[in-house]
Amino acid sequence: QSVLTQPPSVSAAPGQKVTISCSGSSSNIGDNFVSWYLQLPGTAPKLLIYDNHQRPSGIPDRFSGSKSGTSATLGITGLQTGDEAIYYCGTRDSSLSALVFGGGTKLTVL
Amino acid sequence: QLQLQESGPGLVKPSETLSLTCTVSGGSISSGSYYWGWIRQSPGTGLEWFGSIFSSGATYNNPSLKSRVTISVDTSNNHFSLKLSSVTTADTALYYCVRHVISPGSTDYFDYWGQGALVTVSA
Repeated sequence: QSVLTQPPSVSAAPGQKVTISCSGSSSNIGDNFVSWYLQLPGTAPKLLIYDNHQRPSGIPDRFSGSKSGTSATLGITGLQTGDEAIYYCGTRDSSLSALVFGGGTKLTVL
Repeated sequence: QLQLQESGPGLVKPSETLSLTCTVSGGSISSGSYYWGWIRQSPGTGLEWFGSIFSSGATYNNPSLKSRVTISVDTSNNHFSLKLSSVTTADTALYYCVRHVISPGSTDYFDYWGQGALVTVSA
């Protein structure tokens, strides 16, 4: 199983807000920055958030990230059907000396 | 626009070595302070980072895979490569090459991804 824990799935209606959690430990999330990736069906993951809350150029401000202690959260507002994807969190694990990911959360926009 | 493209055999026999190359276009591997890495994705193990390499050849590897993994860089041809030895069926996966941003302030993220190369390990 993955070092970082994410819920397998979340769902919400179009226009609503959803949050996706990513839980870790003091050696990973607690000690390092978190990034988030979205993977649309049949495509490679794409960077959504880096350094806990920074958005790369081109990512709308509907997407936000935060971190508290050993957990991180991705927020998506104004949900659209095009947001249906799998979302992954990632960070460095200082004990493992490796980059690690969560198992992914499938977002369904009902 | 930076682009990464994986290439290599799609079928590898058990116990042999998997070899993939990532060609970078739209930018130089040697420019900037970026590392270049490999990540694989399979239903069983999710996303798994192998390691990353700087244009100088310095590497940053996943200790859990280190004994089987070799990552190299060819700056003259603007590409980098992955070799994974002694493969088993568990190594069947989609392999991505990525640009890896690292900074001393503990930031690590992957901002560009190739489209992925499916590698199947089978006799």
